[in-house]
Amino acid sequence: GQQLNQSPQSMFIQEGEDVSMNCTSSSIFNTWLWYKQDPGEGPVLLIALYKAGELTSNGRLTAQFGITRKDSFLNISASIPSDVGIYFCAGPRGNLNQAGTALIFGKGTTLSVSS
Amino acid sequence: GAVVSQHPSWVICKSGTSVKIECRSLDFQATTMFWYRQFPKQSLMLMATSNEGSKATYEQGVEKDKFLINHASLTLSTLTVTSAHPEDSSFYICSAGRQGSSQPQHFGDGTRLSIL
Repeated sequence: GQQLNQSPQSMFIQEGEDVSMNCTSSSIFNTWLWYKQDPGEGPVLLIALYKAGELTSNGRLTAQFGITRKDSFLNISASIPSDVGIYFCAGPRGNLNQAGTALIFGKGTTLSVSS
Repeated sequence: GAVVSQHPSWVICKSGTSVKIECRSLDFQATTMFWYRQFPKQSLMLMATSNEGSKATYEQGVEKDKFLINHASLTLSTLTVTSAHPEDSSFYICSAGRQGSSQPQHFGDGTRLSIL
């Protein structure tokens, strides 16, 4: 079935450093989503990607939808302490785009930022 | 502000009791809502798809008689964990998408369930 392989599993960085994490799949996805989850809370959408090759920014965050539609990366520039959390990539199961489709999640990247 | 509300946020109960968790879409209608479960340091795993006015669709390995789902209106789905046991302790999260929309779903803030 569809699976998302996310790496790295965890990262420990200094405040101000840039961060990069990625997600790959053996299956094609038509949508790539990146979420952040803080402890004890639900995931919050950071960036949504809908077209192969698309590069989208949201403040200090930048994400790209791979040309092959089988991968995506998320970059965080000039990290700050509040960037701490777990970052998940996700895609719609069955390759549908509509809101009525369940999501498949990667295993997450835990980010720790020291000041 | 939050567009999907989940209640309660935290519950502790004794083994053998039943617990109901509510998921509400606040400013939109959702014919479909989703229930996920997340164990510590793990990812979100889909438990079931809640369909308004019809039976829920459960993922393989999820007991439908243990995790009762009711989606009686376009803005409310409930998950009832029946005869809960310590192994049911987990973080339960719901999500919902605007009907007919291609935009990503919104997630609730989750419910931390602890069974003693």
